[in-house]
Amino acid sequence: DAGITQSPRYKITETGRQVTLMCHQTWSHSYMFWYRQDLGHGLRLIYYSAAADITDKGEVPDGYVVSRSKTENFPLTLESATRSQTSVYFCASRPGVSSYEQYFGPGTRLTVT
Amino acid sequence: AQSVTQLGSHVSVSEGALVLLRCNYSSSVPPYLFWYVQYPNQGLQLLLKYTTGATLVKGINGFEAEFKKSETSFHLTKPSAHMSDAAEYFCAVIHTGGFKTIFGAGTRLFVKA
Repeated sequence: DAGITQSPRYKITETGRQVTLMCHQTWSHSYMFWYRQDLGHGLRLIYYSAAADITDKGEVPDGYVVSRSKTENFPLTLESATRSQTSVYFCASRPGVSSYEQYFGPGTRLTVT
Repeated sequence: AQSVTQLGSHVSVSEGALVLLRCNYSSSVPPYLFWYVQYPNQGLQLLLKYTTGATLVKGINGFEAEFKKSETSFHLTKPSAHMSDAAEYFCAVIHTGGFKTIFGAGTRLFVKA
């Protein structure tokens, strides 16, 4: 039972490069989320998805793109990485409309130099 | 708009002492309430939740929380702290039918030997 996985776990990239963070869940949960966690800011929602091909912006979507062609995958792309996007990124999933707890992946620590 | 306030960004207790982490929420209607725990270099995991019914809820690792509607609070307690409880704890709320969970800023718990 793999649950929810993220890859890579650690990534260093340069300013201006495109980076994709992967998220995969094995539960067939309907909802998926991307958060970033920064000291002093707590958890901030970047994007979320209610189902395949349905996505919406969270609090801090600028500079990020998501897609969800399959229920189990929810990749997050930084189109042109900036130093301000250095952070720890968490993917999470939630079973569906009547179940509100979230299940988090282990996180990806991204450093933009 | 909903908000969550966690009193104290850092709490330090001695091993064997009572743990009390405070959480207050602001909402026009009672939301669903959660406590999550985050150990170093890991994602958040659900500790306990309140949806409906009994206002005192028990979670994993001996933690419990009580929903007090009149005080708009959902404080987390554990009678006797263990070294393994050292982690960051997040209070969170969501409305019925809502997509977005609102997280508090987190409280880091230190346990002294």
